[in-house]
Amino acid sequence: GAGVSQSPRYKVAKRGQDVALRCDPISGHVSLFWYQQALGQGPEFLTYFQNEAQLDKSGLPSDRFFAERPEGSVSTLKIQRTQQEDSAVYLCASSLSNNSPLHFGNGTRLTVT
Amino acid sequence: AQSVTQPDIHITVSEGASLELRCNYSYGATPYLFWYVQSPGQGLQLLLKYFSGDTLVQGIKGFEAEFKRSQSSFNLRKPSVHWSDAAEYFCAVGEYSGAGSYQLTFGKGTKLSVIP
Repeated sequence: GAGVSQSPRYKVAKRGQDVALRCDPISGHVSLFWYQQALGQGPEFLTYFQNEAQLDKSGLPSDRFFAERPEGSVSTLKIQRTQQEDSAVYLCASSLSNNSPLHFGNGTRLTVT
Repeated sequence: AQSVTQPDIHITVSEGASLELRCNYSYGATPYLFWYVQSPGQGLQLLLKYFSGDTLVQGIKGFEAEFKRSQSSFNLRKPSVHWSDAAEYFCAVGEYSGAGSYQLTFGKGTKLSVIP
């Protein structure tokens, strides 16, 4: 596709459930980022991949959060044992290289009830 | 640690009027600065960026921003607002991390409403 694609667009989970959020970056983009955007806030950095290597995961809020990009393309953000405070929009962004602009997907809105 | 402040949570302007959205940053070195726009239910779209050089930066959709080091500001301007500019605007500062990419720190955003 022409842009970064994220699925699902909306996800409702009961507290304690595990969820998996998918990101399809623009083809050929080396860098991939995950951001978390709480209601009324700006996005906050979660983690960064260069190809399949996760080079920075300093923004992941707890060990319940896990991200992978096994073949250097599609990435999955997994949240285990979801909590209400995990409710947010999760944005994925990709870029051609380190100095290139980020292209954001439309995000996945996660609601934990 | 770097930080970004957008003092105005919500701004309303009339169509055709000029616009200025404020952004102040805290960062030790010369910053990489960005403005993004987000329409409801959409991702963020880059309007413009400043890395170095000319402090007045031109972007898409008729927007511009001026980097003022002495004021630690990077305000976004547009001379004449269109109804389609109604959206949320985010200022961000980028810092190269040890992992070889620049990590963006965003402000909390300014919501722009446009009156016909």
